[in-house]
Amino acid sequence: KQEVTQIPAALSVPEGENLVLNCSFTDSAIYNLQWFRQDPGKGLTSLLLIQSSQREQTSGRLNASLDKSSGRSTLYIAASQPGDSATYLCAVRFTGTASKLTFGTGTRLQVTL
Amino acid sequence: GAGVSQSPSNKVTEKGKDVELRCDPISGHTALYWYRQSLGQGLEFLIYFQGNSAPDKSGLPSDRFSAERTGGSVSTLTIQRTQQEDSAVYLCASSLRGVGSNQPQHFGDGTRLSIL
Repeated sequence: KQEVTQIPAALSVPEGENLVLNCSFTDSAIYNLQWFRQDPGKGLTSLLLIQSSQREQTSGRLNASLDKSSGRSTLYIAASQPGDSATYLCAVRFTGTASKLTFGTGTRLQVTL
Repeated sequence: GAGVSQSPSNKVTEKGKDVELRCDPISGHTALYWYRQSLGQGLEFLIYFQGNSAPDKSGLPSDRFSAERTGGSVSTLTIQRTQQEDSAVYLCASSLRGVGSNQPQHFGDGTRLSIL
C-alpha cells in the first residue's frame, strides 16, 4: 500500500531557529513530491515541487530535499518567523496512482516569539 | 481571479438533502481534482478530470457522489442524500497539465460542508 508519513505531528520552536520537517513514503516509484502549507480555515498553498529526477529545490528560506531510494524528503526552513506557523503537508504522486496526490497527515508548526 | 475559486465557502444542510459544490480552476489549466479533508482521515482523493478524457472516479466513496466538468473548465461535485459522515472540507485543485507532467497542483480554499 502506498502511504506517506510525516513526523513529528506537531513542533514548536522559538523565532529564528532553523528547523527540519520530515516526510517518508513507502514506494520509490514516484513522479514527484510536493510540499504545501495550510493555514487554519484555508486551502493549501504550494511551496515546492521536486521531480523524481531531482535531489532538492529551493525557494527563499525553504529548501526541500528528496532521497527517492530511501523514501524520504525533508523540508528545511531557515531563520523561522511567527508567520511560518501553519500545518505543513507532504504529498506524493506515485507512478502507479498518478491521477492523485497521496498526502501525509501533516506537521503542525508553531513559531513562538 | 488568479487562483482556484470554490463556492460556497460554507454550506450547512440537513441530512438527506442534495448539495452541489462548485469549482472554477485557474484559467488554462487542463487538469482538475477534487479532494476531501475530514478530521481523522486527512486529505483523500475523490476524482480527477483531464481535458476531454473520461474522469478517474476511483476515489468517490459511494454512488451518492458524482462530479462533472463542463466545457473543460468549471466543475461541480454533487452529493445526493447527504449523510452526517459527509461532513468535511471539500477541496478543489487544478494543474496546467495532468498525469505524466510535473506540474504542481494549486488548491482553492475549499467548501466546508456540515450535515445536521
